Formats: sequence, C-alpha cells, structure tokens
Amino acid sequence: EPEVTQTPSHQVTQMGQEVILRCVPISNHLYFYWYRQILGQKVEFLVSFYNNEISEKSEIFDDQFSVERPDGSNFTLKIRSTKLEDSAMYFCASSSGQALGSPLHFGNGTRLTVT
Amino acid sequence: DAKTTQPNSMESNEEEPVHLPCNHSTISGTDYIHWYRQLPSQGPEYVIHGLTSNVNNRMASLAIAEDRKSSTLILHRATLRDAAVYYCILRRNSGYSTLTFGKGTMLLVSP
Repeated sequence: EPEVTQTPSHQVTQMGQEVILRCVPISNHLYFYWYRQILGQKVEFLVSFYNNEISEKSEIFDDQFSVERPDGSNFTLKIRSTKLEDSAMYFCASSSGQALGSPLHFGNGTRLTVT
Repeated sequence: DAKTTQPNSMESNEEEPVHLPCNHSTISGTDYIHWYRQLPSQGPEYVIHGLTSNVNNRMASLAIAEDRKSSTLILHRATLRDAAVYYCILRRNSGYSTLTFGKGTMLLVSP
C-alpha cells in the first residue's frame, strides 16, 4: 500500500538554525498538510497546500515557517530560525481530494529537537 | 470547530469487542464523523468515517446515532496492535476541511 514517507526520522539542531523537513506524499495525491505534536500534547494543524499554494494555515504557522513543493514528488517544511519551543514531532499528510470524505494519510513523522 | 467528547482511556482484553464512544452534540448537518488512531511513535492513521449511516470496513465499524449527536467506533476483536489513541473528529465543511485533533481515547489492550 502506498505511504507517505518523511526524512529524516530525527533531526537535532541548535536554536536559531534553519531546518528543512522533507516529505514524499503518495504519488497521485493533490492535497498536502503539515501537522505537529509537542510531546504529550495534541496533534496540531500547521498548514495545508494545494496547487502550489497555501490553502489554509493556523496561527502557529507564522513567518518563521514556509512550505514548498520543489518538484513533483517532495513537499518540504522549512523553519527559518528554530526556537526551543519548535521541538516536536512533525507529521506530513496527503489526501487525494478535498471532499470531506477524503481521508488524510500521514507519515510517521520527523522528531525535531532544538537545543 | 464542533467539539467532540471522548473518555480519556479505556481498557479491553485481547480478542474481545471494543466500543469507543464519542459525543458530538453540536454537530451540524454537513459534518462528517472521522475516526483516526495513533499507535505509539507513529503518525495518525485513518480508521473510518461516516455521515449518517453506519459504516463498516476492514478495520472497524462506525455506529452513528439517529440524531447524529453521538457515535461509536467498534473494534470487533481487539488485538494488542490495536492499543493506540483513538480520535473522533468532526470534519467541518469550511475552508479546506482540515482535521482538528482532540485528546482522544487511549485504548489499552491486555493479553
């Protein structure tokens, strides 16, 4: 069964550094998402992306964050200048459609540790 | 976003059925009821969804109350692999209908 893959599985970075988290969505999917989960807390929506532009974003997704689909297969999340509070699991997801019945398929996440 | 209420945790024995309840009294007519689960150290995984009628798939069954103010996810025979946090989510017909996760129900399965 096709799956969403994320790399790296664990990223350690120093405060103030830029990080790029990478995702390969399922190949025929058109809608892409990033979520994050701080340890012990809820899964939180960050951003959704369709047709090469952001379709929705949460309050968490401020100017430090950006997303890109640089080619036909990758979907990236960049954090420009990391803060300690950015430490979390970051999950990428994709779906084939926008319809309310279209399930999201999630990757297994990248654990980001900011020191 | 419409709110859902789930028990914090539930316990089950292996090979027994499990009924995971969810209350969503403020559901609107076009809200879909989605269930996802998150196994330890993994991303959320889609389980099932429905609108008004009960639904079955290879993973589970979803029973929706006639007034749609509650639903129950049914795992017919729990396995140890079903130990996870189960999220009941209303997917609202607004914007691009993102999923909003609550705290969910942590299901513990004993051998």
